[in-house]
Amino acid sequence: GNSVTQMEGPVTLSEEAFLTINCTYTATGYPSLFWYVQYPGEGLQLLLKATKADDKGSNKGFEATYRKETTSFHLEKGSVQVSDSAVYFCALGNYGGATNKLIFGTGTLLAVQP
Amino acid sequence: NAGVTQTPKFQVLKTGQSMTLQCAQDMNHNSMYWYRQDPGMGLRLIYYSASEGTTDKGEVPNGYNVSRLNKREFSLRLESAAPSQTSVYFCASSEVGGRRNTEAFFGQGTRLTVV
Repeated sequence: GNSVTQMEGPVTLSEEAFLTINCTYTATGYPSLFWYVQYPGEGLQLLLKATKADDKGSNKGFEATYRKETTSFHLEKGSVQVSDSAVYFCALGNYGGATNKLIFGTGTLLAVQP
Repeated sequence: NAGVTQTPKFQVLKTGQSMTLQCAQDMNHNSMYWYRQDPGMGLRLIYYSASEGTTDKGEVPNGYNVSRLNKREFSLRLESAAPSQTSVYFCASSEVGGRRNTEAFFGQGTRLTVV
């Protein structure tokens, strides 16, 4: 079945460091891919998304490229800030009829130190 | 615009007690979902509803029931709570309508502890 594998955390970085969080997936067909972010005490909110091979999603300085050949959707940011500290989830959209059920990775905690 | 609203935010139950988690969305979405979040396991789908009047099981439905009361509301019921149901529960909604890239909007979660 479909699944998402995400690098384990926590990831601890200094402010202005480069961030990569790895995400790979297993899926039949052509799923949509998402990155969600969860700030402390809050629900999940969409960070970025991509729907087909070679699409690049971007938002708030974060980027991820849908790589079909490596079945990956790695999240990157060139210079992290303390305010980026959160849990990041990679997710696969399991589209079926009228719903788009999400399959999540285990989440990666990012802690950015000043 | 409130988005997805869940109540309560926190709850402590004794084993065997029952309770209902409430969820309402004001975005006129057809699809609604209940997920649970456990450490090291990400979010897992419990039940979902493609439209008013329909519900289907997700990955981990055992011990739960749901009701899609109307287009806005989707409740999750624990009939006899067990310690294994200690988790954070998230309700979400989305509007698919044939588009595969639509995002899901999440509530702020209910932290449930069963003792």
